[in-house]
Amino acid sequence: QVQLQESGPGLVKPSETLSLTCTVSGASVSSNYCSWIRQPPGEGLEWIGYISYSGTTDYNPSLKSRVTISVDTSKNQFSLKLSSVTAADTAVYYCARGPASTYFDYWGQGTLVAVSS
Amino acid sequence: QSVLTQPPSTSGTPGQRVTISCSGSSSNIGSNYVYWYQQLPGTAPKLLIYRTNQRPSGVPDRFSGSKSGTSASLAISGLRSEDEADYYCAAWDDSLSALVFGGGTKVTVL
Repeated sequence: QVQLQESGPGLVKPSETLSLTCTVSGASVSSNYCSWIRQPPGEGLEWIGYISYSGTTDYNPSLKSRVTISVDTSKNQFSLKLSSVTAADTAVYYCARGPASTYFDYWGQGTLVAVSS
Repeated sequence: QSVLTQPPSTSGTPGQRVTISCSGSSSNIGSNYVYWYQQLPGTAPKLLIYRTNQRPSGVPDRFSGSKSGTSASLAISGLRSEDEADYYCAAWDDSLSALVFGGGTKVTVL
C-alpha cells in the first residue's frame, strides 16, 4: 500500500522560506514522478511542480522563480521549498506521486501552511 | 480565474445521471489528455479518470470521461449520496507549460 505523508511547519513568516517534506512508504521515490499541489482555503487546486525518477524537475511558471523540489532517495522522501512567501501562499499543500508528470494516483493527506507574522 | 472552466455546482437525485463539463482551449484539452479528481469534504483529491477516459482500478464504472474538441465531460450515472463532493478536471497546457486545473464543481445529491 503506497502512502505519502507531508511534514513541516504550519506557520511561516512573510518573506521567509516554506519548507515541506513528503515521506513515501510502499513505493520508491525513484520510480515515479513526485509532485506538489496546493489548495488555498475554500479555493481550487494549483499545480506547483514535480521531480521525476531521473531527477528532472519542472515547475509552474507562475512560481518557478521561488520553487525548488528535491529528492532524498536514502530516506525515500522528497521536499518542497518556496521562498519569499506572502499571505497568498497560505494553502493546504499536498504531495502526490504518479506514473506520469501530469496525473497523480496517490496523495498525501495534505498539510495547512499559513503565512503570517 | 481558472484556465479550465467548470460550472460551480450541479445537483441530482439518487439514481440520476449527472454530467460535469470542463471547457478549455486548443493548447490544453484540445491537444492533451484530461484528468478528473474527486475531493470529498476535508480529504485529499482522488484520481477518478486518467488519460481522458480511463478508470483506475477500484473506481466504479458509474464514472466515465470523454472529450470532444476543446471540451471534456465527466458523467456520473446512478448517482449515490457518497458521490457528493467537489470534482476537478485537469490537463497539461502547452502554451503555459503547466498543468492546469478547473475551478471545481460541487455535486450535491438531493
